[in-house]
Amino acid sequence: NAGVTQTPKFRILKIGQSMTLQCTQDMNHNYMYWYRQDPGMGLKLIYYSVGAGITDKGEVPNGYNVSRSTTEDFPLRLELAAPSQTSVYFCASDPGQSNTEAFFGQGTRLTVV
Amino acid sequence: AQSVTQLDSHVSVSEGTPVLLRCNYSSSYSPSLFWYVQHPNKGLQLLLKYTSAATLVKGINGFEAEFKKSETSFHLTKPSAHMSDAAEYFCVVRGSSYKLIFGSGTRLLVRP
Repeated sequence: NAGVTQTPKFRILKIGQSMTLQCTQDMNHNYMYWYRQDPGMGLKLIYYSVGAGITDKGEVPNGYNVSRSTTEDFPLRLELAAPSQTSVYFCASDPGQSNTEAFFGQGTRLTVV
Repeated sequence: AQSVTQLDSHVSVSEGTPVLLRCNYSSSYSPSLFWYVQHPNKGLQLLLKYTSAATLVKGINGFEAEFKKSETSFHLTKPSAHMSDAAEYFCVVRGSSYKLIFGSGTRLLVRP
């Protein structure tokens, strides 16, 4: 099983550029999440989705947008990249059952210069 | 609202000695709790989880944690540290809509 797949693994952006971080899961999970991890810190929730067509803001949504047109895909859009968005981004999915856990992608390391 | 506090930002132990990483949680209902490990420049790996079954939870690589409701704690332990255990450890509580709330992390250093 592929699990949660994120692309790209690394990216360097110039200030003001835009990009989309891709996230795909093949486990038919309804719940999907985007987190960012700044150096020496824990993960903070950017956006999440409880099913296709439904998204909501997390703790740090400013500067980002998401969409969820299918169960499998949950892309994260950065508009007008800023140095403050330099971070490692993790996508996760969850089956939404009390005795299970979330599955994480391997992360995307983004640098804005 | 749910939250977690990892009481130590850094823990240093000698190889072969016990490991204790401390975590306290806050939750308005019976929580689901997790410990994740992250090796340098790597992704997150689940060590163990508590989801309201047995209070003593055994995980991978010899780690275990005990859920203590009276103390609102979920400390991670290992009897004997190995060099390969050096990493960042995150205590995590599950909130509404299955969102994960991360602690700030504890960096474990293992001295030879």
